Amino acid sequence: KAGVTQTPRYLIKTRGQQVTLSCSPISGHRSVSWYQQTPGQGLQFLFEYFSETQRNKGNFPGRFSGRQFSNSRSEMNVSTLELGDSALYLCASSFGGNLFTSTDTQYFGPGTRLTVL
Amino acid sequence: ILNVEQSPQSLHVQEGDSTNFTCSFPSSNFYALHWYRWETAKSPEALFVMTLNGDEKKKGRISATLNTKEGYSYLYIKGSQPEDSATYLCAFDSNYQLIWGAGTKLIIKP
Repeated sequence: KAGVTQTPRYLIKTRGQQVTLSCSPISGHRSVSWYQQTPGQGLQFLFEYFSETQRNKGNFPGRFSGRQFSNSRSEMNVSTLELGDSALYLCASSFGGNLFTSTDTQYFGPGTRLTVL
Repeated sequence: ILNVEQSPQSLHVQEGDSTNFTCSFPSSNFYALHWYRWETAKSPEALFVMTLNGDEKKKGRISATLNTKEGYSYLYIKGSQPEDSATYLCAFDSNYQLIWGAGTKLIIKP
């Protein structure tokens, strides 16, 4: 069974640009969550999608957005990039029990390393 | 502001020795506590999800305990091996928030 895949793996952008990251979940998984990880910080939850709908959202500004397609693949977009957006962005998929009320295991992708210059 | 603390931040352990580290979380509005292992250049991998006070889970040489009343969980590794080198993350699951600790980086010295 193929794991969670993320593209691209590495990305360099400049301030003010926008970026789109992609995540393909494990086949059969309907929930996709996105996280940001910066050095010394725990994973910060961005949002979760289930059946093409954003079901949960973390405390990030509106520059961070996402969507999910009918095949459960998900994209996240960051507009007007800032230096502080440099981070590892991880997505995780699960079968789809509600992220916060089930004990569904999340399976993580390898991440996209975004560098903003 | 809900906070999850993991200690120590990093740990060097001799191969063959046993070790343990801590995840502290708020003791109110608890739903579940997750442990993950994150090896360098790989993706985080789920170890345990624990929901009940007094829960104890085991997978091979790794085990975890949970105390929801005082808000902590311990992860134990018995007879550490080089392949145990990784960052161990815990995540506190409460009331529609999933809050992660910064992790404990474990380095096994041969």
